[in-house]
Amino acid sequence: EPEVTQTPSHQVTQMGQEVILRCVPISNHLYFYWYRQILGQKVEFLVSFYNNEISEKSEIFDDQFSVERPDGSNFTLKIRSTKLEDSAMYFCASSELYVDEQFFGPGTRLTVL
Amino acid sequence: AQTVTQSQPEMSVQEAETVTLSCTYDTSESDYYLFWYKQPPSRQMILVIRQEAYKQQNATENRFSVNFQKAAKSFSLKISDSQLGDAAMYFCAYRGSTSGTYKYIFGTGTRLKVLA
Repeated sequence: EPEVTQTPSHQVTQMGQEVILRCVPISNHLYFYWYRQILGQKVEFLVSFYNNEISEKSEIFDDQFSVERPDGSNFTLKIRSTKLEDSAMYFCASSELYVDEQFFGPGTRLTVL
Repeated sequence: AQTVTQSQPEMSVQEAETVTLSCTYDTSESDYYLFWYKQPPSRQMILVIRQEAYKQQNATENRFSVNFQKAAKSFSLKISDSQLGDAAMYFCAYRGSTSGTYKYIFGTGTRLKVLA
C-alpha cells in the first residue's frame, strides 16, 4: 500500500541553525501539507501546497518557514534560524485531490537545543 | 472560524468493554468531513474512521463506530470490545469542503488507557 515517507525520523539541531525536513508524498497525489505537533499539544496546520505554490498557510508559517517541491517526488519544509520553540513533531501529508482524505507520514521529531 | 473540542483529556476502559470518546465542533459550513485519528506512542497518525457530513448513516469500521449528530455538531467515537492495542491518543479532526480551505483542524486529543 502506498504511503507517505519522511526523513529523517529525528533531527537534532542547534538554535539558530537551518534544517530541512523531507517528505515523499504518495506518487499520484497532488496536494501536500505540513502540520506540527508540539509535545503534549494538538496537531496544527502549517501550510498546504499545490501546483508548485502555497495554497494556504497558517499564522505560524511566517518568514522563518518555506516549502519547496524540488523535484517530482520530494516535498521539503525548511526552517531557518531555528528557535527552541520550533521543537516539535512535523508531519507531512498528501492527498490526491483537495477533497480527498489526507494521508499522513510517520513524522520527523525536531529537537532544537 | 471552525473549532474542534474534545472535553475528555483522558479516558480508561477495561479490556473487552466499550468506551465512547466525545468530540464537538463548530462550523457554519453545511458540507464537511470529520475524522478520528489514533496516535500511538510512535506518534504516527493513523486514520480510524471518517464521516461525510452529507451522509446520515453513521460510519463503522469493524470495532469502531461513530455517533454523528449534525444538528448538535457532535461526533463521538465508540470503541467496542476494547483491546490493549487500542491504547493511544485519539484526535478528532474537521475538514471543510466549501470554504476553499482544506486543512484539517484537530481537537486537543483524548488519551485512552485500556486496563487488562
